Amino acid sequence: SAVISQKPSRDICQRGTSLTIQCQVDSQVTMMFWYRQQPGQSLTLIATANQGSEATYESGFVIDKFPISRPNLTFSTLTVSNMSPEDSSIYLCSVEALAGEEQFFGPGTRLTVL
Amino acid sequence: KNQVEQSPQSLIILEGKNCTLQCNYTVSPFSNLRWYKQDTGRGPVSLTIMTFSENTKSNGRYTATLDADTKQSSLHITASQLSDSASYICVGTSGGSYIPTFGRGTSLIVHP
Repeated sequence: SAVISQKPSRDICQRGTSLTIQCQVDSQVTMMFWYRQQPGQSLTLIATANQGSEATYESGFVIDKFPISRPNLTFSTLTVSNMSPEDSSIYLCSVEALAGEEQFFGPGTRLTVL
Repeated sequence: KNQVEQSPQSLIILEGKNCTLQCNYTVSPFSNLRWYKQDTGRGPVSLTIMTFSENTKSNGRYTATLDADTKQSSLHITASQLSDSASYICVGTSGGSYIPTFGRGTSLIVHP
């Protein structure tokens, strides 16, 4: 199993500002992902964080809005840029040791944009 | 397009009772089907993972079934406890991209 921590756990931000969320894993993992979970909705994959290269974004998500870094195999950040109230959501970091294997999730970051 | 539909959307039961949650999936090519439990304010936690060849898997009081022919899965909870109150999410994983498709979840409330 993998233990995942996220910072911050929650934040309230003003529109137009940016927030960087950190994800730390207690072991080296191949796959790291960022998800968004809006109230009452299922999880939506934002992007796959690739170590040493640009993240792979899903349809509807772009690097300018959600820049991602992954400097090593245990750490990643997601920035939510130029925030609007529509960005209010829970953002979750997730890892898999190998593609298609068991997936572990962090506790999430609850973001509220005023 | 891969899809996962769950029912019911929400469910209220009394402590000690059993319940069954349903999941219909369209995932191609199919790799595995997972059930997660998500407590309020927490990330999802894996309950079971089943591949094409498995039709039943248990994890304590949780038993998942998989019918690959009808593309249906169920999660049965036995002798429910207050701590079972959570959202239960069904996830189908494609064998091609290994990108999971999440259902919207079933919100279960267990009353004393």
